[in-house]
Amino acid sequence: QKEVEQNSGPLSVPEGAIASLNCTYSDRGSQSFFWYRQYSGKSPELIMSIYSNGDKEDGRFTAQLNKASQYVSLLIRDSQPSDSATYLCAVNPDQKVTFGIGTKLQVIP
Amino acid sequence: DTGVSQDPRHKITKRGQNVTFRCDPISEHNRLYWYRQTLGQGPEFLTYFQNEAQLEKSRLLSDRFSAERPKGSFSTLEIQRTEQGDSAMYLCASSYTVTENYGYTFGSGTRLTVV
Repeated sequence: QKEVEQNSGPLSVPEGAIASLNCTYSDRGSQSFFWYRQYSGKSPELIMSIYSNGDKEDGRFTAQLNKASQYVSLLIRDSQPSDSATYLCAVNPDQKVTFGIGTKLQVIP
Repeated sequence: DTGVSQDPRHKITKRGQNVTFRCDPISEHNRLYWYRQTLGQGPEFLTYFQNEAQLEKSRLLSDRFSAERPKGSFSTLEIQRTEQGDSAMYLCASSYTVTENYGYTFGSGTRLTVV
């Protein structure tokens, strides 16, 4: 079992819709959880971090964490074509961050 | 601060040659990480430093790979006797400490192509 599991997609949503990206992780000792956005050919960029169960909102982005279910999600409201990218879920079970393979999001105008 | 800087941006080398990459982290960050990313995969951990000490190396890191961080500032990653399977994006990241929940700041990466 991989440490961080994501569906590779692509996930296609129409412009203005809510995009929902999901991730599960295996190590119950993980304390911090991150979402990175990566445009094609570019390096990852941190967009959200979450450490406690529940929701954390930042603008159009909401991260959700459920440690009991070992589940992390990212919601993007009012999706824009500029949101089209790969979204990497990342978890730190120890002193380094482990990444999933990323979910490719396509926002259709 | 200009962020994490990596050099070169692109490197094409012949199989069997040695290559060296450089990373300059954000000056306030005491941790520096190297990752490798191939197409369609997430970044894969290689090694990390806290100040000048190399604290962990991935089992995936063969003896042909070596990393240094003299004086706790910039870091270099050297690959000896390159193979075609080494072709990837090599990413450097820095942070205060992950457990302080700042996450990483990545550099732009070095794309290596071994021909």
